[in-house]
Amino acid sequence: QVQLQESGPGLVKPSETLSLTCTVSGGSISSYYWTWIRQSQGTGLDWIGYIFYTGSADYNPSLKSRVTISIDTSKNQFSLKLSSVTAADTAVYFCARVGQYRTATAHHYFMDVWGKGTTVAVSS
Amino acid sequence: DMQMTQSPSSLSASVGDRVTITCRASQSIRTNLNWYQHQPGQAPKLLIYAASSLQSGVPSRFSGSGSGTDFTLTINSLHPEDFATYYCQQTYSIPGTFGQGTRLEIK
Repeated sequence: QVQLQESGPGLVKPSETLSLTCTVSGGSISSYYWTWIRQSQGTGLDWIGYIFYTGSADYNPSLKSRVTISIDTSKNQFSLKLSSVTAADTAVYFCARVGQYRTATAHHYFMDVWGKGTTVAVSS
Repeated sequence: DMQMTQSPSSLSASVGDRVTITCRASQSIRTNLNWYQHQPGQAPKLLIYAASSLQSGVPSRFSGSGSGTDFTLTINSLHPEDFATYYCQQTYSIPGTFGQGTRLEIK
């Protein structure tokens, strides 16, 4: 059974870079897309971005200038970096696996395995 | 961004009740709609994908329907473990936006 675990500092200073890692256990990171999502008090759940095991990534346009998602297949990990953080970036950060379902006419995506989340506060 | 609006934002019900949560998209998303359940402190759980497909291992009392802009999640005969917050999410366009959530509470 695939499990995901987020790790990283729980406190980041304003203007600094938030760095989190998601470790995948019980299965291979290959052949899947992987994603980061955050939940803040004010805005609910926000999709941050995703990465394919090949390293191809895409991001939420609202965060694109500050976000980098990377992957290390040798360690079965993928990571999130969010630069120039402010208090608005205080949130619970989740990593998740992206599942896919294809029909003759459609291609569906969904987050089928999630980590429990890690709380990151931005404060001096 | 695609706007997803859930209703109600909160709901009180009793064990054994049937409840329905709705999700409306600001424009057509065909059937690119997923439903998740979230208990505090736990990993969110996928319930329904592609609007009406039940995720493996999810009890059959959960069902989803809809297409285009209007979708519903129905829970038949509520169990105690069903009291949680439910979210819809569209994956028709980037970013994959979520509804604001529906908190299901015990009456």
